[in-house]
Amino acid sequence: GIQVEQSPPDLILQEGANSTLRCNFSDSVNNLQWFHQNPWGQLINLFYIPSGTKQNGRLSATTVATERYSLLYISSSQTTDSGVYFCAVALGGKLIFGQGTELSVKP
Amino acid sequence: DTEVTQTPKHLVMGMTNKKSLKCEQHMGHRAMYWYKQKAKKPPELMFVYSYEKLSINESVPSRFSPECPNSSLLNLHLHALQPEDSALYLCASSQDYVEGGVNSPLHFGNGTRLTVT
Repeated sequence: GIQVEQSPPDLILQEGANSTLRCNFSDSVNNLQWFHQNPWGQLINLFYIPSGTKQNGRLSATTVATERYSLLYISSSQTTDSGVYFCAVALGGKLIFGQGTELSVKP
Repeated sequence: DTEVTQTPKHLVMGMTNKKSLKCEQHMGHRAMYWYKQKAKKPPELMFVYSYEKLSINESVPSRFSPECPNSSLLNLHLHALQPEDSALYLCASSQDYVEGGVNSPLHFGNGTRLTVT
């Protein structure tokens, strides 16, 4: 089956720092989505991004489908950005999640 | 606030109990999903409903029984669960669903934390 790999697995940042999270996938996919799960378990859809670049405030995402990867940029990080970031790829009627990147932003 | 509402937020049940998880969305979405998430793991797909019909069952044990009474509601009936079924159960919806791929953003509810004793 398809492999969805996220890196890094863990990341600790000082408030105000920038970061880049990566998602690699092993097969062609229909689309890709990024999610943020906060420490209380709430899972929020950040981006639906089959290809190209999108921006939403301090967050932006880029997917290069032909090279099978996607990047999530977080600028000027805040403590509320802490949690787990998942990428998920759509294939065969299913949305398949990567293992996630656990981000901790320190004040 | 999430537009997908799940009840209850927490549930503790014994192995002989019968309980139900409920999910409701009013976004006019025609696809609804159940996911299971264990601690420190990604969500795992259980069921997909498209236009109120079951499209995918990921070989889920029969002690989990899904039901989609209408396009806004999704239930998960639980019976004779095992302690290893303790997890966060997440409901999601999307605008549409076609064979061969999810083709719109998924929106998740806040989940039900289930403990089986």
